Amino acid sequence: AQKITQTQPGMFVQEKEAVTLDCTYDTSDPSYGLFWYKQPSSGEMIFLIYQGSYDQQNATEGRYSLNFQKARKSANLVISASQLGDSAMYFCAMREEKGQGAQKLVFGQGTRLTINP
Amino acid sequence: KAGVTQTPRYLIKTRGQQVTLSCSPISGHRSVSWYQQTPGQGLQFLFEYFSETQRNKGNFPGRFSGRQFSNSRSEMNVSTLELGDSALYLCASSLLFGGAGIQYFGAGTRLSVL
Repeated sequence: AQKITQTQPGMFVQEKEAVTLDCTYDTSDPSYGLFWYKQPSSGEMIFLIYQGSYDQQNATEGRYSLNFQKARKSANLVISASQLGDSAMYFCAMREEKGQGAQKLVFGQGTRLTINP
Repeated sequence: KAGVTQTPRYLIKTRGQQVTLSCSPISGHRSVSWYQQTPGQGLQFLFEYFSETQRNKGNFPGRFSGRQFSNSRSEMNVSTLELGDSALYLCASSLLFGGAGIQYFGAGTRLSVL
């Protein structure tokens, strides 16, 4: 079964600093997708960035980049120049591919990021 | 373009009752998935619907059910509520079935069972 591990329950970072949120995964499927979502206190899960297992380059979306190290099975999220609004829970997730091509995300336990002014 | 809409946002029920939650996907999205989020178990997959058919189901008892309508709107139902069903229920929709489809989530329905 596929598994996602986020080892940092909480992180505290000064505003404008860069921050790296760790994510390791375990799968025997050669084809998979990796996602990062942000969940503010309101509850909505906000999609941030996606990396496909066959993508040659690391994904980037504005201030977000994904440091994808396939051999190490890690997919760390890097947020550059952090802002107060970045304070939230962050979840790493993997899409589990089923025979019928069904959509099912397996989530890690999350990292609570707090940005200090 | 409107996002995923979930109604109601908050619900309070008592044990033994049943509840129906609604999800309207992003226009054009045909795949709808449901997740349960609790402090103890985290985010867990409930089921996924595409073209009015349940394609995948998570490890939840039969009290949890769902359906999808021809306009892709989806409902989930929980019968005989238990205290442990208190959770945030999140709905997500995606454009593509399988492939590289990204799931976009609604704001969730927070269910409290007393």
